[in-house]
Amino acid sequence: DSGVTQTPKHLITATGQRVTLRCSPRSGDLSVYWYQQSLDQGLQFLIQYYNGEERAKGNILERFSAQQFPDLHSELNLSSLELGDSALYFCASSPQGGRGNEQFFGPGTRLTVL
Amino acid sequence: AQKVTQAQTEISVVEKEDVTLDCVYETRDTTYYLFWYKQPPSGELVFLIRRNSFDEQNEISGRYSWNFQKSTSSFNFTITASQVVDSAVYFCALSEAKSSGSARQLTFGSGTQLTVLP
Repeated sequence: DSGVTQTPKHLITATGQRVTLRCSPRSGDLSVYWYQQSLDQGLQFLIQYYNGEERAKGNILERFSAQQFPDLHSELNLSSLELGDSALYFCASSPQGGRGNEQFFGPGTRLTVL
Repeated sequence: AQKVTQAQTEISVVEKEDVTLDCVYETRDTTYYLFWYKQPPSGELVFLIRRNSFDEQNEISGRYSWNFQKSTSSFNFTITASQVVDSAVYFCALSEAKSSGSARQLTFGSGTQLTVLP
């Protein structure tokens, strides 16, 4: 158990809908990262937050947005869903300094868009 | 831009055989970190090892060992005496080593599916 929690574990929805994925980082970790794992794109970085502020953006679509709240949990919002958005979405967190850059991943949320 | 290449898409071995998973990376940074993660059939990503660019000493942890060679930009992973429980997808990843809190996202390779047969 990495200490990172993600809910829900599975999500099935229809095209055009909007969903919210939730992530709680490990205790003490200030950085949260979101990744998407799909069959055609592999594991891709989407976005990073550090202590409530956006720090980096990767291949994140404009239909997707995220935020990190004062209690450090993060939410990834996916809207106007398309079939191609079906994927496993991971959240990861990392410590501040000291131990370097290792990221600890949550169990993922499997999104199926029908 | 950073890039990680895992040329082996799938590897199949018989239990107790040794197996090496290859990883080649590209980066313009002089300071960076390399990682290996394991993704078992259950789907979670499990951190295995982190290596920084200044430390080329090979590392051994039980049946696992890692060979980092900066000269060839490679960070290979060897499992000795493989077991059925080692069956998983293994990912190599790279990140820059900026100061704490800065963007340090992981760039992953495409993964190698390892199947260990009984």
